[in-house]
Amino acid sequence: DAGVIQSPRHEVTEMGQEVTLRCKPISGHDYLFWYRQTMMRGLELLIYFNNNVPIDDSGMPEDRFSAKMPNASFSTLKIQPSEPRDSAVYFCASTFRGYETQYFGPGTRLLVL
Amino acid sequence: GDSVTQMEGPVTLSEEAFLTINCTYTATGYPSLFWYVQYPGEGLQLLLKATKADDKGSNKGFEATYRKETTSFHLEKGSVQVSDSAVYFCALTNSGGGADGLTFGKGTHLIIQP
Repeated sequence: DAGVIQSPRHEVTEMGQEVTLRCKPISGHDYLFWYRQTMMRGLELLIYFNNNVPIDDSGMPEDRFSAKMPNASFSTLKIQPSEPRDSAVYFCASTFRGYETQYFGPGTRLLVL
Repeated sequence: GDSVTQMEGPVTLSEEAFLTINCTYTATGYPSLFWYVQYPGEGLQLLLKATKADDKGSNKGFEATYRKETTSFHLEKGSVQVSDSAVYFCALTNSGGGADGLTFGKGTHLIIQP
C-alpha cells in the first residue's frame, strides 16, 4: 500500500490567498484526521471524519478553516483567507474502526508570507 | 481534558548510552498509550503502544510500560544508535476501542552522537 498521501508537500503563499491541502487515506480506512504541528503548540487535532462525515471539528481554529471529505479516498483542508500565523506543518492520518493506531502522511509544510 | 507531558529536550547522548524519555498523562477512564517517532522531513510513525495497565509495548529495542498507578509511559532503550536520532512523541487516545483523535505531548528531540 502507498500509505497516506498528501499534496502538496510544500506550499508558500501570500497573506490573504486561499490555500487547499489534499489527503488520500489508506484504502479501506474509514477514519481520517487532520492535525497541525507548530513549534509553539505542538501537534493539535483539527478535525476528524468517520465514513466521510465530520465527527469532531472542535479543533478547527476559526471560520477561515474548512474541511471536506467528498468520498472515502479524498479529503481537503482549506484556509481562506490565509494568515502568517497559519504557517505550520499539516498532517493527515487515517485508521479503521477498532484499530487505534493512526497512519500519518508525510505532511504539508505551509508558509504564509 | 486529556493531556500528555513529556520532557522536551533536546536530549543529547553518546552512541550505546541508555535512554529514558519520561512521559506522564492525565486522562479519564482507560486510555491507550503510544509512542510515535518523527524523522527529519517525514510524518509520524508508530513506535510502540500499550492498551491497558501493566502492558509493555516494545519495538526496535525500545520499550515502555503502561503504569496506571503513576500515570506514566516512559520510553527506554538499552543502547542507542545514531540512527535513533529523531523527535519522539508520547500520545494517548480515549476512544474505548473505537477511533478518536490523539492527544500528543510536545515531543522530545533526541540527538545521538557517534
